Amino acid sequence: DVKVTQSSRYLVKRTGEKVFLECVQDMDHENMFWYRQDPGLGLRLIYFSYDVKMKEKGDIPEGYSVSREKKERFSLILESASTNQTSMYLCASSARTSGVETQYFGPGTRLLVL
Amino acid sequence: GQQVMQIPQYQHVQEGEDFTTYCNSSTTLSNIQWYKQRPGGHPVFLIQLVKSGEVKKQKRLTFQFGEAKKNSSLHITATQTTDVGTYFCAGPRGAQKLVFGQGTRLTINP
Repeated sequence: DVKVTQSSRYLVKRTGEKVFLECVQDMDHENMFWYRQDPGLGLRLIYFSYDVKMKEKGDIPEGYSVSREKKERFSLILESASTNQTSMYLCASSARTSGVETQYFGPGTRLLVL
Repeated sequence: GQQVMQIPQYQHVQEGEDFTTYCNSSTTLSNIQWYKQRPGGHPVFLIQLVKSGEVKKQKRLTFQFGEAKKNSSLHITATQTTDVGTYFCAGPRGAQKLVFGQGTRLTINP
């Protein structure tokens, strides 16, 4: 079974702090993703990585950066946390099954910025 | 840009009633996927549909892909409390990414 783990389930930070969210997958997937999930807005893509050191902005990259130094690990960084970044953050990796790219999600990190 | 719209946003049913969620795309899709997220959990892949007019079943769940490959539906027959959660459809965006619908949150009165 594919396993995607995230470093924290719950996190509380103060405005202005630098925040690191870590994600690790154990299936040698090339593609990894960071989403945020907010009520009524579904899953919005923040950043995508298709290989080590390779990244691509998603739909809402402002205020975020990412790092992928190793294939299995994809980190999301909030450079200076703000209250509007309070959200559920979901990491995913993907694999091609029967010609279709399927995503596997981690358990999520619920971040509260005070 | 490419959008996938999903309705309704919320649905509350009595246990045993049927439930349907609909997904519509602004563009033709090569495939569509469905995911389920239990309360407090994370999205989990359910199924993918690839062919025009395709219908697939998983026990009480029936998934359909429209003839024009621009819409899809998920129908649950005789809901049970284990069906509670949010159901997302997702279409491909480029070779590697997905665009998700907003999700339909299903709650059930036992």
